[in-house]
This record gives sequence, C-alpha cells and structure tokens, in this order.
Amino acid sequence: DAGVIQSPRHEVTEMGQEVTLRCKPISGHNSLFWYRQTMMRGLELLIYFNNNVPIDDSGMPEDRFSAKMPNASFSTLKIQPSEPRDSAVYFCASSPGGGRKGELFFGEGSRLTVL
Amino acid sequence: AQSVAQPEDQVNVAEGNPLTVKCTYSVSGNPYLFWYVQYPNRGLQFLLKYITGDNLVKGSYGFEAEFNKSQTSFHLKKPSALVSDSALYFCAVGGSSASKIIFGSGTRLSIRP
Repeated sequence: DAGVIQSPRHEVTEMGQEVTLRCKPISGHNSLFWYRQTMMRGLELLIYFNNNVPIDDSGMPEDRFSAKMPNASFSTLKIQPSEPRDSAVYFCASSPGGGRKGELFFGEGSRLTVL
Repeated sequence: AQSVAQPEDQVNVAEGNPLTVKCTYSVSGNPYLFWYVQYPNRGLQFLLKYITGDNLVKGSYGFEAEFNKSQTSFHLKKPSALVSDSALYFCAVGGSSASKIIFGSGTRLSIRP
C-alpha cells in the first residue's frame, strides 16, 4: 500500500508568492495532521482534521496560512503571501482510528524555501 | 494544555552499550505517549506507544519504553545499541482522546562503533 504522499517535495519561491502544498493520506485513515519542522522551533502542529473536519487550527501561525480537506483523500496547506520565515519542511501525517488511534504515518515532507 | 520535554539535545553511546533517551510530559487525564524516529531527509516513523496496561512497552527495532506515572516520564531504552540506531528521536503526547499529538524537541542519538 502507498503511504502518505506529499507534493511537491521541494519548492523554492520568492517572497510574496502563493504556495500550495498537497497531501494524499493513507486510504481509510480518518485523521490528518499538518506539521512544520524547523531547526529553531522543532516540530510544530499547525492543524489537524478528523473525518475531513478541521478540529484545531490553533497552531496556524497567522492568517496567511490556510488548510482545507475537501474529501477523505486530499488536503492542501496554502500560504499566501509567503515570507522567508515560512521556510521549513512541512509534513503531512494521517492516522487510523480504532485501536491504532494516535499512531501517525508521515509523508516524506515538502521542503519550502522562500527567498 | 499538553506538553512534552526532551531534556537532552544529543545522546552519545558506544555500540553494544545500553541506551536511554529521556522524555517527560504534562497532560490532563490519562496520556497517550509515543516515540518516533526520524532518519535524514525522511518523515517520522512510529516506534511504540503507551496507552494503558504494562508500564514497559516494547516496540520496533528492539526499542522499549518505560512509563512512570509518578515522575511523568516515558524514557526510551534499548539494551544494546547499534550504529544503525543513530537518528533523531521524538517523544510525543496526546490527551485522553489522542486526537492532538504534540512532539518534543527531539534528541539526536549517536552510536559510535
């Protein structure tokens, strides 16, 4: 079975541009998480969804960030406009329910560089 | 609010020796506790978790973790380290619903031959 698929793997953009990161969770998983990893701040939870519904977006840095999950097989994280301080690796993870609740399956990440 | 602390940025161990990576947590109610490992340029991989039951939890690659409620700790252990265990290790905590998973700052484990 395919794991969590993220795209693009690498993105270099200029300040002010819109960035869209994409995630396809593992089929059958009912929770989806977006994390950001930097050297300075470590691994930060940005937002998570249960059954496609956003549950907690308190970690989203500011209004420039938005996330959607229009269906069970797709989610996006958008940054508009992007700033150099947004440079980080963004991870998507999905999680099954039931007895494996809380076990996260991570994608390979999207490395964003904002110049 | 829930939080997790990993007091050591780096742990250095000789191959064949036992290793311990420390983690303490704070959460309301009964915790869900996790350990994950990250290799360079990869996503995190699940190692093990504690929900309830036996305080010693066994996981992947020979790792185990000991839950200590009185000390609010969940230290990762392995009896005999391998060079291939060298990686970045994260402790994580979820509240009683395990819906919101928060990670510690990570500990870099370095095993020397």
